[in-house]
Amino acid sequence: GAGVSQSPSNKVTEKGKDVELRCDPISGHTALYWYRQRLGQGLEFLIYFQGNSAPDKSGLPSDRFSAERTGESVSTLTIQRTQQEDSAVYLCASSMDSFVVRTEAFFGQGTRLTVV
Amino acid sequence: GNSVTQMEGPVTLSEEAFLTINCTYTATGYPSLFWYVQYPGEGLQLLLKATKADDKGSNKGFEATYRKETTSFHLEKGSVQVSDSAVYFCALSDNQAGTALIFGKGTTLSVSS
Repeated sequence: GAGVSQSPSNKVTEKGKDVELRCDPISGHTALYWYRQRLGQGLEFLIYFQGNSAPDKSGLPSDRFSAERTGESVSTLTIQRTQQEDSAVYLCASSMDSFVVRTEAFFGQGTRLTVV
Repeated sequence: GNSVTQMEGPVTLSEEAFLTINCTYTATGYPSLFWYVQYPGEGLQLLLKATKADDKGSNKGFEATYRKETTSFHLEKGSVQVSDSAVYFCALSDNQAGTALIFGKGTTLSVSS
């Protein structure tokens, strides 16, 4: 597609359930990022993938969070045993490489996750 | 660590008013600085950027100058339009890490005719 696509756009889940969020980056983009935006907060970096290199997981808030990406294609962010504090908008972005100063990062419209 | 602080919103202006949204940063190195904008119902998109001190980024009538001495990157526009109503995010990239953008909390701008 023309842009970064995320699904679902909205997700309501019960506390304790697992959820999986999907991101389709722009074709040819080697770098992919996940961010979280809680209400009234800035964007919090979670994880980034660059080609076949080991991902930078330094932003993941707990071991309940994990993400996968196969090559330069789709990425999934999984949250296990969801908690109410996980409620947020999860944003995915992709760029041509890992140096955002050189290339622009393009964002999807996000998945709004609500844990009840 | 690195951080970005931007002015609290919402900012409410009449059409053709002058806009300033303040942004200051803390960084250990020499970061690149960005403004992203999120229009209603759309994803974040890059508005402008500056990669070194004294650089001025500009786009769509918006400008921001990278001021190292005051660690600031304030966003300005001389005459806002209703279509500028959006959420504006200031961000920095640590060039030493060369990876993720660090964002401020965002400032909501509402322009009325």
